[in-house]
Amino acid sequence: EAGVAQSPRYKIIEKRQSVAFWCNPISGHATLYWYQQILGQGPKLLIQFQNNGVVDDSQLPKDRFSAERLKGVDSTLKIQPAKLEDSAVYLCASSLVNRVETQYFGPGTRLLVL
Amino acid sequence: AQSVTQPDIHITVSEGASLELRCNYSYGATPYLFWYVQSPGQGLQLLLKYFSGDTLVQGIKGFEAEFKRSQSSFNLRKPSVHWSDAAEYFCAVGVGAGNMLTFGGGTRLMVKP
Repeated sequence: EAGVAQSPRYKIIEKRQSVAFWCNPISGHATLYWYQQILGQGPKLLIQFQNNGVVDDSQLPKDRFSAERLKGVDSTLKIQPAKLEDSAVYLCASSLVNRVETQYFGPGTRLLVL
Repeated sequence: AQSVTQPDIHITVSEGASLELRCNYSYGATPYLFWYVQSPGQGLQLLLKYFSGDTLVQGIKGFEAEFKRSQSSFNLRKPSVHWSDAAEYFCAVGVGAGNMLTFGGGTRLMVKP
């Protein structure tokens, strides 16, 4: 069974530029999560989708971050404009609905904002 | 809101020695409890989980964890550490209708030869 796929794996941009990350979840997993992991910290949930609807986005900085999952499968997370403090690893995970024990993580996208 | 505390930021043990990583949580009810491991440049891998029942749970790679309700703790243990266990370990709780995960700050394990 294929795991959660993410791209790109690494990205370097300058502050005020835009960037987008892509995630393809495990087949059949209706729930998709985006986490931000700042160096030296645990992952923090940014947004959770169930199919193409948002379950929770309370920790998403909506002035600069946006995410979509238009067809209920793959998802895109965008930052516009980026700030230095956005440098982090962005992890995507997926699970069956209301089955957090089935949550699997992708390898992450490491973002460096200069 | 729930929170997770991992008191030890760094731990160094000798290869072959026993290991215990501490995790304390704050939540009104018994949450789902997890331990994940993250090697450098890698994603998170689930080691073990507790939902209910036997408070001592076994995981992969020889790890186990014990849930103690009275102490709000879920400590991770391994009787004999291998050099390949060097990594960062995260404790997490899953609460809410969507079972969203809240992670602790992590413990970085280093293994001396």
